Amino acid sequence: EDQVTQSPEALRLQEGESSSLNCSYTVSGLRGLFWYRQDPGKGPEFLFTLYSAGEEKEKERLKATLTKKESFLHITAPKPEDSATYLCAVQAVWSNDYKLSFGAGTTVTVRA
Amino acid sequence: ETGVTQTPRHLVMGMTNKKSLKCEQHLGHNAMYWYKQSAKKPLELMFVYSLEERVENNSVPSRFSPECPNSSHLFLHLHTLQPEDSALYLCASSLYRDTGELFFGEGSRLTVL
Repeated sequence: EDQVTQSPEALRLQEGESSSLNCSYTVSGLRGLFWYRQDPGKGPEFLFTLYSAGEEKEKERLKATLTKKESFLHITAPKPEDSATYLCAVQAVWSNDYKLSFGAGTTVTVRA
Repeated sequence: ETGVTQTPRHLVMGMTNKKSLKCEQHLGHNAMYWYKQSAKKPLELMFVYSLEERVENNSVPSRFSPECPNSSHLFLHLHTLQPEDSALYLCASSLYRDTGELFFGEGSRLTVL
């Protein structure tokens, strides 16, 4: 069964203090790894898709990287508006139902 | 109106009530989903519809009954729920069922008394 573990569970940062979130996964052949952002009281918002080890994607202060066992979401010089819960999900190649397996998320709080 | 819209945003119901959650997408997508989100737990897939045909039912109790009358609308009918069913219910859509890029609605917060 596919497993996704995100750490830490919560992260408190000072504005401008860069940090990284971890997403460790176990899957029988990775079809794709996905990052989402969820604001309080809202649904998740898609950020990135990563397909193979070594791939990187960037969007503003966020950069996602992928290895064969984990993905990192780097937040560079965060601002208070980067406060949110970040969710990671994987999709397996050998799954005929294309189901996404989600992690429990990392809640990031950025203080001004 | 664009995106994925869910109504109601908040719902309180007793264990013997019958209610429905509604989802509408204006993105021209072919797949629609119901997810359950409980505090500090991963998103749980409940139902998937692709081209209006149900393709996934993750062992969801029969007190939850989905309906997809067309590719733009999705309902979740609720009856005789339990307090542990209290959660945020999220609707999502995607262009096709095999993509992991989902577009979520803002959710319906359900409280079962």
